[in-house]
This record gives sequence, structure tokens and C-alpha cells, in this order.
Amino acid sequence: DAKTTQPPSMDCAEGRAANLPCNHSTISGNEYVYWYRQIHSQGPQYIIHGLKNNETNEMASLIITEDRKSSTLILPHATLRDTAVYYCIVRVWENTDKLIFGTGTRLQVFP
Amino acid sequence: EADIYQTPRYLVIGTGKKITLECSQTMGHDKMYWYQQDPGMELHLIHYSYGVNSTEKGDLSSESTVSRIRTEHFPLTLESARPSHTSQYLCASSPSGGGLNEQFFGPGTRLTVL
Repeated sequence: DAKTTQPPSMDCAEGRAANLPCNHSTISGNEYVYWYRQIHSQGPQYIIHGLKNNETNEMASLIITEDRKSSTLILPHATLRDTAVYYCIVRVWENTDKLIFGTGTRLQVFP
Repeated sequence: EADIYQTPRYLVIGTGKKITLECSQTMGHDKMYWYQQDPGMELHLIHYSYGVNSTEKGDLSSESTVSRIRTEHFPLTLESARPSHTSQYLCASSPSGGGLNEQFFGPGTRLTVL
């Protein structure tokens, strides 16, 4: 699976959009981008995934660049409960079992 | 809300004791996983199972063992606990079949070995 690079930490004001970047310059054509988050050492929680098109669900939006070498997770209206570590993971469709989490981005939402 | 449970949530135990961490899920998932995470560090896969009587070691070497006698149950055992086993242990499950299935995680067991 391709390696990902994320900033170690970010801050965001409550109510503003949080934009979390992820670089995956070695991604190959059959690899998907997944995002999970972990709130205060609880079990990680799935957020969203995509291949090349932008995706949106009730939690977040995922923007993938045209060359697929990077992506951005967007939390449109961050709340204090969104404070967590966010993990960007790249996986092949067939190898969905082994999540390699990396160190992630620690997002701090402040009032 | 995912229906995956872990007990105990916290365990403090002395060196040399045998311990079993329980993990159960009520979603009928065939695939189950154990991850280990030290405070502030990355999660590492230590065991996984594709179904009853199937167990495999993960990417991180672990002295623990697992069993999968029933679909819903995936316990992890340490025969002789040591301080180096102090960590958080997270259990997860996912549906069978290929594709883009998310993993559902339990709340974790925080183990401290004195």
C-alpha cells in the first residue's frame, strides 16, 4: 500500500471548516483513499473513502486531486466533538483487511 | 452504531499472570482483528481472522494468541503477562467478501502489567 504523509497537528475554530491534507504521491491506480478518526484513544471510526471522484457523506467531504497524489478531508462545520486524530490510509481494493494507520493529524477544535 | 464489545475496559495485573481479553460482535461479521496501540503512537495489527477456525498473525509480532471458535467471539490471550505488554488493545470486525468494507472498532481494553 502507498505511504501517506499528513501534518502532525492542526487547529480549527468551532463552526469553521477544517481542511485536513494528505499526500500520497506514490498511489497507484487501484488504490483507494480512506479516512478514519480516533477520538481520545477510543476505537477508530470510519469517515469516508474515495478512488478519484470527490465524495461527500453526512460526516465529511473528500477532495482528491486529478493526479490523485493528494487529497483533503473537509469537515464543513467543525465542532468540539470533532477534536481527534485523523488518519489518511491508502489501500488496494483487494487488500481491505490490513489498515496501516500511520501517525495521523491531531485536529484540535477550539471554541 | 457498531455492535462490537470489549471486556474488560481496563485491567491492571501483575507480571506472570495469564489474561484473556474478550471481544464480541453481534453483526455477523466474518472478519475480525486485534490491534495494539501504545499511548500517542500508531495502531498496529497483531492478529486477524477470516472466520471460524481461521487465525493469522498481523504485521506486528506479538506474544499473544487468539482463537476463533465462534463467529461472534475473538478472544486474545497472554499466557504470562509482562510489563512490556502494557498497551491498549483494540478489536475490530468487518463484513466478509472483497471490496471497500469499513472496519468497526470496539472501545478498547487498556492493559497495565505491573
